[in-house]
Amino acid sequence: SQTIHQWPATLVQPVGSPLSLECTVEGTSNPNLYWYRQAAGRGLQLLFYSVGIGQISSEVPQNLSASRPQDRQFILSSKKLLLSDSGFYLCAWLGGNDYGYTFGSGTRLTVV
Amino acid sequence: AQSVTQPDIHITVSEGASLELRCNYSYGATPYLFWYVQSPGQGLQLLLKYFSGDTLVQGIKGFEAEFKRSQSSFNLRKPSVHWSDAAEYFCAVDEAAGNKLTFGGGTRVLVKP
Repeated sequence: SQTIHQWPATLVQPVGSPLSLECTVEGTSNPNLYWYRQAAGRGLQLLFYSVGIGQISSEVPQNLSASRPQDRQFILSSKKLLLSDSGFYLCAWLGGNDYGYTFGSGTRLTVV
Repeated sequence: AQSVTQPDIHITVSEGASLELRCNYSYGATPYLFWYVQSPGQGLQLLLKYFSGDTLVQGIKGFEAEFKRSQSSFNLRKPSVHWSDAAEYFCAVDEAAGNKLTFGGGTRVLVKP
C-alpha cells in the first residue's frame, strides 16, 4: 500500500538554528511531491513542489529550501530559522490508482 | 488572479442539523476540485473530489458536494452533522491536473450539542 511519512511530529528550534524536515513516500515511484505550510489561523500555502529527483519548484520566496535527493524523499531545510517560520508543515504526494493528493501527518514547528 | 474562496470563516451548527460549506473558484477552465477535512493538530483527509461527469459527488463520512459550472462553485453538504464533524474544512483546486493544489482559506465548523 502507499503511505507517506513525515518526521518529526513536533519541533522547537531557536531563532538562527538550522532546520531539516523529511518526508518519504512508500509504495509508489516517481510521485509528485509537495511541501505546504499552515501558519496559525491561516490556510495552506504551497512552498515547494517536485516532479522528479533534483527538480524543485519554489512558489514563495522565503527563508526555506527544498531538495529531492531520492525518488521518494523530499526534504525541507533552512540554514537559519526565523520566528516567522513557525507553523504546521505538511508534505503531500500526488499519484496512485485513485488520482489524488495524499498528505502526511504534519510537523509542528515552533521557532523561539 | 486565480483563487479559491471559502466565504465563511466559521460556521456553528447544532448536532443533527444540516451543513453546507461554500467554495468558489476563479479559473478559466474546469479544474479538478477537492474537499479536505483537518482535525486539530492533524493532517488533511480527503473527503471527496470532482474531475468530470456527474456533478453531484459522494464522499466519505456522509458528505457530498455539487459542482456548478455556471456559478464556479463546489459546495460541500451533509444532511445531518455529528459532533465528530467539528473540524476545519478546506476546498482545493488543481488547475492543471497534477500541477499543484491551491487551497481556500478554510471554514471552521463548530457543532453544538
